[in-house]
Amino acid sequence: QQQVKQSPQSLIVQKGGISIINCAYENTAFDYFPWYQQFPGKGPALLIAIRPDVSEKKEGRFTISFNKSAKQFSLHIMDSQPGDSATYFCAAHRSSNTGKLIFGQGTTLQVKP
Amino acid sequence: DVKVTQSSRYLVKRTGEKVFLECVQDMDHENMFWYRQDPGLGLRLIYFSYDVKMKEKGDIPEGYSVSREKKERFSLILESASTNQTSMYLCASWQAVNTEAFFGQGTRLTVV
Repeated sequence: QQQVKQSPQSLIVQKGGISIINCAYENTAFDYFPWYQQFPGKGPALLIAIRPDVSEKKEGRFTISFNKSAKQFSLHIMDSQPGDSATYFCAAHRSSNTGKLIFGQGTTLQVKP
Repeated sequence: DVKVTQSSRYLVKRTGEKVFLECVQDMDHENMFWYRQDPGLGLRLIYFSYDVKMKEKGDIPEGYSVSREKKERFSLILESASTNQTSMYLCASWQAVNTEAFFGQGTRLTVV
């Protein structure tokens, strides 16, 4: 069963635009929600993460919005740049399962110049 | 910097072969993981290990086994490779203090 559902599968955005990727989870025991960024030929790397006690976290051009009641969270990339072109994965984690991340299906983002 | 190194970037194996994928991390992390990455399916957990000689099944363990004889090394074994195991394999170690997974560069395995 897919415990974390991610959409869209692919996304094309013009340079300077806003990229939005959405995720939904089922298990309310999850207490940590990271986003990983993967460039071609590389392994995923942590981009930004949030815990459910806050509704938003911002780091530079990247923002996570979190809706605990709806069990949804999203990644917003402001002023998208061609260098942001990558695959993005949302994930969920339970602190009792140290390190066992449940990933979404991934979103391939292309930012056109 | 944490470094997770997978022994091969690309592998081509024949159906029925026994395949070993090796992963080494240099940060003394206790927890290590093997994931499989397929388009549209994301990263799926195959096996993980919380300590030397300890292993637990993930979501898709069928056809795989693992070995962890030393803390820094975690091996994934395909007992008898099949074409449906053609995929990208990613190893990761977990840094609990920062709640962060560090991934290797991946091994793209093709079974013919």
